[in-house]
Amino acid sequence: EIVLTQSPATLSLSPGERATLSCRASQTVSNYLAWYQQKPGQAPRLLIYDASNRATGIPARFGGSGSGTDFTLTISSLEPEDFAVYYCQQRSSWPRTFGQGTKVEIK
Amino acid sequence: EVQLLESGGGLVQPGGSLRLSCAGSGFTFSNYGMGWVRQAPGKGLEWVSSVTPGGDNTFYADSVKGRFAISRDNFRNTVSLQMNSLRADDTALYYCAKDASNSWFDYWGQGIWVTVSS
Repeated sequence: EIVLTQSPATLSLSPGERATLSCRASQTVSNYLAWYQQKPGQAPRLLIYDASNRATGIPARFGGSGSGTDFTLTISSLEPEDFAVYYCQQRSSWPRTFGQGTKVEIK
Repeated sequence: EVQLLESGGGLVQPGGSLRLSCAGSGFTFSNYGMGWVRQAPGKGLEWVSSVTPGGDNTFYADSVKGRFAISRDNFRNTVSLQMNSLRADDTALYYCAKDASNSWFDYWGQGIWVTVSS
């Protein structure tokens, strides 16, 4: 099973700041990595797939990069609605796995 | 508009069974894989199971293998999760999700609670 480790666990930032979230895989997943956003009481929302492709309707301030074992989600300038928990997920092999999440909170 | 509506959750005793269903609409159901993802109270996301568009291939997390079974009915546009031998650690909010492309989940239901307790 591929283990995804996200860091940091919590990121405290102010609106307008840049957020950089990390996801590291225990073995290579090529570019088969996605990012999801989850707000309290809501279902997750797909943000990024195949490491760097924005899903439909996702604003350009969300960007993904990386390949192999190291990946980054960048939010270029935080909007109030971006404060949420973010998860990475791999589809390189079965079983599919998620990271433990990074909470982006208002400083 | 894509919609996924889960049903069948509730309270069940340890060792019991429950069947979740998910009705999909707003897309050509038979063209897409479907999956279940769960979230224990206050915890992160855990992929549970997936099924291919035709229903011929199924996949399971190790934690549920041999106890859960996923199936689909492309005539009724539904996907189901039969859960047997339930344990306390199966307690979670279970989401049904549409598989955009080989396990990228682009649409999710609102989730349904399963509580395993005596």
